[in-house]
Amino acid sequence: EAGVAQSPRYKIIEKRQSVAFWCNPISGHATLYWYQQILGQGPKLLIQFQNNGVVDDSQLPKDRFSAERLKGVDSTLKIQPAKLEDSAVYLCASSLEGTGSYEQYFGPGTRLTVT
Amino acid sequence: AQKVTQAQTEISVVEKEDVTLDCVYETRDTTYYLFWYKQPPSGELVFLIRRNSFDEQNEISGRYSWNFQKSTSSFNFTITASQVVDSAVYFCALRPGGGADGLTFGKGTHLIIQP
Repeated sequence: EAGVAQSPRYKIIEKRQSVAFWCNPISGHATLYWYQQILGQGPKLLIQFQNNGVVDDSQLPKDRFSAERLKGVDSTLKIQPAKLEDSAVYLCASSLEGTGSYEQYFGPGTRLTVT
Repeated sequence: AQKVTQAQTEISVVEKEDVTLDCVYETRDTTYYLFWYKQPPSGELVFLIRRNSFDEQNEISGRYSWNFQKSTSSFNFTITASQVVDSAVYFCALRPGGGADGLTFGKGTHLIIQP
């Protein structure tokens, strides 16, 4: 079974530029999550989708971050414009359903460096 | 609000020693789930265990064991006869039983196993 796919793996941009990350969850997984992991910290949830609807985006900085999952499968996370403090690894995860009994499977992440 | 505390930032032991990673959590939910994840140098989060709030039985899986104590809100992880391959950052995480269920992670414990 293929795991969660993410691209690109690495991205370097200058502040005020835009960037987009892509995630393809495990086939059949209804729930998709985006997390931000700053160096030396645990991942922090940015947004949770159930199929193509948003369940929780309370920690998403909506003035600069946006995410979509139009067909209920793959998802895109965008930052516009980027700030230095956005440098982090962006992790995508998926689970079979959005209930606590299911574990989340994580992708390899996209490491973003903002200069 | 939910919170996970991993007070040990870094632990270093010699191979074959036993080591325990501490995790203390805070939640107002009566139903919740606790997780441990391993993050090796490659960066991908690897699921290790899930425990629900109604099951306080300790669990053993090979060299790994977990001690869940609701009375002290702790979910500690022990590695017996540690090996160099166990070197990684270990995260404890908490998830509510219903509704939006993104994981709340601790800051992680960096475990170094010296040969």
